[in-house]
Amino acid sequence: SQTIHQWPATLVQPVGSPLSLECTVEGTSNPNLYWYRQAAGRGLQLLFYSVGIGQISSEVPQNLSASRPQDRQFILSSKKLLLSDSGFYLCAQVRGQGTEAFFGQGTRLTVV
Amino acid sequence: GESVGLHLPTLSVQEGDNSIINCAYSNSASDYFIWYKQESGKGPQFIIDIRSNMDKRQGQRVTVLLNKTVKHLSLQIAATQPGDSAVYFCAEPHTSGTYKYIFGTGTRLKVLA
Repeated sequence: SQTIHQWPATLVQPVGSPLSLECTVEGTSNPNLYWYRQAAGRGLQLLFYSVGIGQISSEVPQNLSASRPQDRQFILSSKKLLLSDSGFYLCAQVRGQGTEAFFGQGTRLTVV
Repeated sequence: GESVGLHLPTLSVQEGDNSIINCAYSNSASDYFIWYKQESGKGPQFIIDIRSNMDKRQGQRVTVLLNKTVKHLSLQIAATQPGDSAVYFCAEPHTSGTYKYIFGTGTRLKVLA
């Protein structure tokens, strides 16, 4: 079965500090991986997606970046956090084009 | 799109009544649609899906209806229970050569006791 691990579950970071959120998947190979952000009471905003190692597509220009150093690892980073980076960050995997997405449990980031 | 920045619309339903949650999709070439349920503090989870060669699909207490003419999707929940309180998203996995996976605006369902 497919499993997605995201950590940490919650994070409080000061403005200007760096960020690294990690997502790892199990039970599948060559998944399409996605990072979403969700502000409180809002919808899911697609940030980045990756169809393979080293392949990153950015959907929204912003203060964040993503990397995929291994097939089952997807990392979301920032060099200097902004207050507006606060939100609920979700990693998802999709086995193939046009199929169900499986989500991790998310990381709630608060920038203070 | 821009809709992700808007507050989620809320549907309040009395416990035991039926709920209908609506979604408009954009790509007339889409052939697969999914409904997800997101409980507070958790990631979205799959509820039910439907292929474009169908107009209706039923699950346990849930039914999805697809109207391709007007590009409209709905999720019906029968005998709504307190545990149904959540945010519901429709998704239209793009199959037209792109790997984007976009979700609709979402609707918050509140079940009143």
